[in-house]
Amino acid sequence: AQSVTQPDIHITVSEGASLELRCNYSYGATPYLFWYVQSPGQGLQLLLKYFSGDTLVQGIKGFEAEFKRSQSSFNLRKPSVHWSDAAEYFCAVGSPSGNTPLVFGKGTRLSVIA
Amino acid sequence: KAGVTQTPRYLIKTRGQQVTLSCSPISGHRSVSWYQQTPGQGLQFLFEYFSETQRNKGNFPGRFSGRQFSNSRSEMNVSTLELGDSALYLCASSPTEGGSPLHFGNGTRLTVT
Repeated sequence: AQSVTQPDIHITVSEGASLELRCNYSYGATPYLFWYVQSPGQGLQLLLKYFSGDTLVQGIKGFEAEFKRSQSSFNLRKPSVHWSDAAEYFCAVGSPSGNTPLVFGKGTRLSVIA
Repeated sequence: KAGVTQTPRYLIKTRGQQVTLSCSPISGHRSVSWYQQTPGQGLQFLFEYFSETQRNKGNFPGRFSGRQFSNSRSEMNVSTLELGDSALYLCASSPTEGGSPLHFGNGTRLTVT
């Protein structure tokens, strides 16, 4: 069964600093991979997705993620964090066939300090 | 294009009651999925509907049920509410059966007292 691990429950970074959120997945083949962001009281907004091809994918709000098959990882990065990036971030894995539901990690809460 | 709309945004119910939550998908999207989000368990899949048929179901008791109408709108029902059912219930839609990515609504916050 597919699964997702986000090792960091909570991360605090300074505004303007770089950010990397970790995501490791378990899946038998090449999965579909996603990062979502959730602000308090809101639903999940899609940041970026990986289906195939270039392993470095660009998303909205200046985020990018890199798919590393050998490490079963799909880490999210941003070169310079803004205070408005404070939120909860979820990594998710899905099957290309679509016959199993999207599975989410437990999330990483990001705090941004001045 | 309007996003996924969930109503109501907030609900307070008493143990033993039942509740119905509603979800209108993005126009043209025919697949609707439901997730339960709690601080302890995170996001857990409830079920997915496509063309009025349930095509996938998560590991939840039979008290949780859903349906989809011909216009793709979906409802989920929870009967005999328990305190542990307090959660944020998220609905998501996609254009095709099992399709990705999912587009989420803002959720319904259910509190059971």
